[in-house]
Amino acid sequence: DARVTQTPRHKVTEMGQEVTMRCQPILGHNTVFWYRQTMMQGLELLAYFRNRAPLDDSGMPKDRFSAEMPDATLATLKIQPSEPRDSAVYFCASGGGGSYEQYFGPGTRLTVT
Amino acid sequence: DAKTTQPNSMESNEEEPVHLPCNHSTISGTDYIHWYRQLPSQGPEYVIHGLTSNVNNRMASLAIAEDRKSSTLILHRATLRDAAVYYCILSLIQGAQKLVFGQGTRLTINP
Repeated sequence: DARVTQTPRHKVTEMGQEVTMRCQPILGHNTVFWYRQTMMQGLELLAYFRNRAPLDDSGMPKDRFSAEMPDATLATLKIQPSEPRDSAVYFCASGGGGSYEQYFGPGTRLTVT
Repeated sequence: DAKTTQPNSMESNEEEPVHLPCNHSTISGTDYIHWYRQLPSQGPEYVIHGLTSNVNNRMASLAIAEDRKSSTLILHRATLRDAAVYYCILSLIQGAQKLVFGQGTRLTINP
């Protein structure tokens, strides 16, 4: 049963610290998405990649957020420096490769104090 | 991105059918209608999608109005496990496409 995995599942950090979230997409999927969910804003797209190339990162605060795909099995989302308003659940999803569905990971719950 | 409108919440009883409506009056001819749901403390999961014809799968049925300005997700026999937020989303299908989530409908199932 193929799944998207995300690490860590929970992260508590202090304001100003760097945070790195990792995602392993489903093997064979060529598109990877990063979403963020908060009570106020709901689910919003931050960025997505196709064949490891960034397609759209317009939802991401550029000054502190960066997203990369070092290889086809790993996507990373970094926040530096982190701020309390970054507290949210960050979801990674993958799709493509013949599939029209997006498969979401379990999320990383980030708390910035 | 074309917009969808859904009721904020709905309530139903276990083992009864549930009809979740979605209005999308500005839908374009190339937009597919997708439904995802999010169970508590989980990531969203795909439910069903369609273009013009009604669709059935093991989870649900999707009824699409003839003018495509609205659609209804049908859960034929709701269980407690179907309590979730249901999202109706319009998107092109050319491989995996970005999803623009609205607020969705929070479905409560009473035992």
